[in-house]
Amino acid sequence: QKEVEQNSGPLSVPEGAIASLNCTYSDRGSQSFFWYRQYSGKSPELIMFIYSNGDKEDGRFTAQLNKASQYVSLLIRDSQPSDSATYLCAVNNRLAFGKGNQVVVIP
Amino acid sequence: EAGVTQFPSHSVIEKGQTVTLRCDPISGHDNLYWYRRVMGKEIKFLLHFVKESKQDESGMPNNRFLAERTGGTYSTLKVQPAELEDSGVYFCASSQGPHSYYGYTFGSGTRLTVV
Repeated sequence: QKEVEQNSGPLSVPEGAIASLNCTYSDRGSQSFFWYRQYSGKSPELIMFIYSNGDKEDGRFTAQLNKASQYVSLLIRDSQPSDSATYLCAVNNRLAFGKGNQVVVIP
Repeated sequence: EAGVTQFPSHSVIEKGQTVTLRCDPISGHDNLYWYRRVMGKEIKFLLHFVKESKQDESGMPNNRFLAERTGGTYSTLKVQPAELEDSGVYFCASSQGPHSYYGYTFGSGTRLTVV
């Protein structure tokens, strides 16, 4: 079983819509959860982190954590073409990464 | 503030050769990490330095990989001898504290191709 799973294929959303990404993790003792964005050919950059159950909002981004179900999600509201990238879920201080979800925002 | 700098950005070497990758973390960041992404796979942790000490090297794939951080500033990752499966993008990241409460700052990576 992989430490972090991101199973969805590429996600295409129209501009202005909500993009929803999901991630599950295997270690029930995990404490810290991160979403990174990676543009093609660039390095990952941190966009959100969450430690407590519930929602955390930062601008157009909302991270949701459910430790009982071992999943963390990312919502991107009012999606913009500039949001087109690969979004990586990572867990814990060592950063166990998922494979990432590619998001394409269609103008 | 300068970011995390990695050199070279690309390297193409033949199987059996040696390659050394370098990472300059953000000044003052005691924590330095190496990660690798093989094509089609997840980014994988390799090792973690706190200053010049290896805090966790459990992700190093085998003894062909040697990481050093003499003086606790920049770090090098040497692959000797390189094999085809070592091809991928090697990322370095640094952070100020021992925990990732502030997230890591990643370098732009070194793309290594072994032919």
